[in-house]
Amino acid sequence: DQQVKQNSPSLSVQEGRISILNCDYTNSMFDYFLWYKKYPAEGPTFLISISSIKDKNEDGRFTVFLNKSAKHLSLHIVPSQPGDSAVYFCAAYGGATNKLIFGTGTLLAVQP
Amino acid sequence: EAGVAQSPRYKIIEKRQSVAFWCNPISGHATLYWYQQILGQGPKLLIQFQNNGVVDDSQLPKDRFSAERLKGVDSTLKIQPAKLEDSAVYLCASSLGFQASSYEQYFGPGTRLTVT
Repeated sequence: DQQVKQNSPSLSVQEGRISILNCDYTNSMFDYFLWYKKYPAEGPTFLISISSIKDKNEDGRFTVFLNKSAKHLSLHIVPSQPGDSAVYFCAAYGGATNKLIFGTGTLLAVQP
Repeated sequence: EAGVAQSPRYKIIEKRQSVAFWCNPISGHATLYWYQQILGQGPKLLIQFQNNGVVDDSQLPKDRFSAERLKGVDSTLKIQPAKLEDSAVYLCASSLGFQASSYEQYFGPGTRLTVT
């Protein structure tokens, strides 16, 4: 049972444009959400997070939006840069699991 | 600040052989995690340590996988005997503690295991 879903395996965006990565979850008990970025041959690195008591968190070019009623969150990158090309994982925490549950990832390619 | 260290980076073994992975977390991080990431999937938690005690090993295949964290610092993950389906990247991560502020985990580069 995939509790965290990233339905787009890949996304291609032009440099300077907005990248929007989506994530859906099924467990209403999740109360904290994170985005990780992963380059090839490296481990995931923490990017940005949001608590369920908020609906938006911003950090420079990165903004995460949370829609609890829809059990949906999204990561916006504006403007996108070639160095943003990586796999982005959505992760959720909370409920009975008490551990991070990761999505399957979205490969973002930012074209120069 | 040094990151999470893992070795080896790559390992190729035949099925039924044994293999061990090593992890050194960030200094001062009490919580250590081992994840398995199969190609095309997200990381899946195998085991979580708080200091040298096991917090969660519910998804660890205990008939073949074992892990220890002696002295609450370094950790080793062992597979014996390996199966073809164990081919994956094994990621070690650490965090400051077990509280809400420690959701942010720091990952090592991983060990890519290929079982032939």
